[in-house]
Amino acid sequence: GAVVSQHPSRVICKSGTSVKIECRSLDFQATTMFWYRQFPKQSLMLMATSNEGSKATYEQGVEKDKFLINHASLTLSTLTVTSAHPEDSSFYICSASAGILRAIYFGEGSWLTVV
Amino acid sequence: GENVGLHLPTLSVQEGDNSIINCAYSNSASDYFIWYKQESGKGPQFIIDIRSNMDKRQGQRVTVLLNKTVKHLSLQIAATQPGDSAVYFCAAPLGGADGLTFGKGTHLIIQP
Repeated sequence: GAVVSQHPSRVICKSGTSVKIECRSLDFQATTMFWYRQFPKQSLMLMATSNEGSKATYEQGVEKDKFLINHASLTLSTLTVTSAHPEDSSFYICSASAGILRAIYFGEGSWLTVV
Repeated sequence: GENVGLHLPTLSVQEGDNSIINCAYSNSASDYFIWYKQESGKGPQFIIDIRSNMDKRQGQRVTVLLNKTVKHLSLQIAATQPGDSAVYFCAAPLGGADGLTFGKGTHLIIQP
């Protein structure tokens, strides 16, 4: 079946630095990918929709200049957290959709800790 | 906008019993629902989905029921096993887009 892979699974960075998280679709081409954020013991919140070859669409309240999304190919989307702060520490999860799949499959998530 | 929520934050069941996890939604136009299982520290895992033209769908040990009249769906897990311990989320597409809105989640705890 379809598989979505994220890297890194865990990352620790210093305040003020930037960190990049990759999301890859392994078995299919994903015209659309989605980035979610999840705080401990809370639900997933959609941050943005990543569209191949065009700009990402951000949900209300998500800073597009802080969370840079690039979807340069049909199998890769990247989320870059710029000028990271401790409050950005969270579990970031991506999902990928080829349209018909309706974004069913998720990556394993990436734990970000900003110190 | 879409609002998908769960009734109970924690559900404790005896191993071998059936589990029922509930979810309510507010947008009567929602036409597609998905149940996910999330184990600690991992991404959500697809369990089963259902479209609004159906009221029941069965998988392996799981059944999803959809009641469009009261805007409610449930996930039934038969013969619950220790490996079923996880947080379960219902989800539905946000408006006309493919991004999902998730319910708050129910933590299923299996008692030996």
